[in-house]
Amino acid sequence: GAGVSQTPSNKVTEKGKYVELRCDPISGHTALYWYRQSLGQGPEFLIYFQGTGAADDSGLPNDRFFAVRPEGSVSTLKIQRTERGDSAVYLCASSLTGDPDTQYFGPGTRLTVL
Amino acid sequence: DQQVKQNSPSLSVQEGRISILNCDYTNSMFDYFLWYKKYPAEGPTFLISISSIKDKNEDGRFTVFLNKSAKHLSLHIVPSQPGDSAVYFCAAEENAGNMLTFGGGTRLMVKP
Repeated sequence: GAGVSQTPSNKVTEKGKYVELRCDPISGHTALYWYRQSLGQGPEFLIYFQGTGAADDSGLPNDRFFAVRPEGSVSTLKIQRTERGDSAVYLCASSLTGDPDTQYFGPGTRLTVL
Repeated sequence: DQQVKQNSPSLSVQEGRISILNCDYTNSMFDYFLWYKKYPAEGPTFLISISSIKDKNEDGRFTVFLNKSAKHLSLHIVPSQPGDSAVYFCAAEENAGNMLTFGGGTRLMVKP
């Protein structure tokens, strides 16, 4: 079956612009996670959805970052007024059970802010 | 503060030899540990895990060792194969937590 997919695979934008990154989880997975991986570092947790609601958004760095999952499937990570420091690979993962140790990761979206 | 650290950014090993990747953590609330493998342009894939109630878990060529008193774990790959060349991430989870905390990764290169 299909794994977690993320679009676009690459996104280049200018400082100050708004971007949306999309994640399609594995069908039937109720839990969805967003992580950010900066160059040379490991993934850092951003937000966790259980169904439609954000169960834990403690990793969002500031109020420029927002994520939604309106129908409990596809999720969109939204970044306003992008800054050069937002450049990273944004990873999405989904899980059937909601346990973090059963996550399946997508290939990521590489965001470059010029 | 980094709660999970992988102090070796890279490791080079000859094919057939043992690869040992190390990971240290500081948070005593972590009770489950995982290793992920990542190829370029792909997401991390789960490799092996260990609960804090154990000190060893083995799966084929891969063995993870946990030393709770030292807050240290290691991944042993034996024998190493060229296809094992990838970035390996150590990750940890708190009991009833919602997320994984990752180390910075170690790039393993297995030379034929």
